[in-house]
Amino acid sequence: DAKTTQPPSMDCAEGRAANLPCNHSTISGNEYVYWYRQIHSQGPQYIIHGLKNNETNEMASLIITEDRKSSTLILPHATLRDTAVYYCIVRGTNDYKLSFGAGTTVTVRA
Amino acid sequence: GAVVSQHPSWVICKSGTSVKIECRSLDFQATTMFWYRQFPKQSLMLMATSNEGSKATYEQGVEKDKFLINHASLTLSTLTVTSAHPEDSSFYICSASPRTGGRDEQFFGPGTRLTVL
Repeated sequence: DAKTTQPPSMDCAEGRAANLPCNHSTISGNEYVYWYRQIHSQGPQYIIHGLKNNETNEMASLIITEDRKSSTLILPHATLRDTAVYYCIVRGTNDYKLSFGAGTTVTVRA
Repeated sequence: GAVVSQHPSWVICKSGTSVKIECRSLDFQATTMFWYRQFPKQSLMLMATSNEGSKATYEQGVEKDKFLINHASLTLSTLTVTSAHPEDSSFYICSASPRTGGRDEQFFGPGTRLTVL
């Protein structure tokens, strides 16, 4: 039972911002939105997470809508090394599992 | 910080043999570790969760007698694939969390690619 919906793929030009959408319309009040990415043949890498406020770190920004039913991960200046599968995951404070869906395959092109 | 290593990074074995994969948290104590499996072009599937000093909790459909997990210390968990068969060929990834129950971020290892001939 998928809690999130992401587009299967998207292309992005190098140096431009990449905006990755995620729908989580059934999210509960105590559930966080996590983003991980997986570069080919590597383990997943944590990017960012948030509850209801927008968050920013050195890798990306996370914008969560006011009703929390969707969010957008923003990579401000995409590079070729950002080519990866990006996973949006909803996880409750009392959950310990990360349920990975199909994710979005992002290809950054020169 | 928060580095997780796996050894070996890849292994090839004959059908019927057993293979042990190690997962180590290098700069933090991991009270909870997780083992995932990923087949080609598919997403990660959680196999089991282990807390240091206790028995692992396996996900539905994962054979606990085939995939033996030991989490004997706060920095080391091992996964042993017993009597491996070609269908066990996969990418095995571990993750570690510094808090009991894994409620904080999970930090992932680089993965181990297992090929069973």
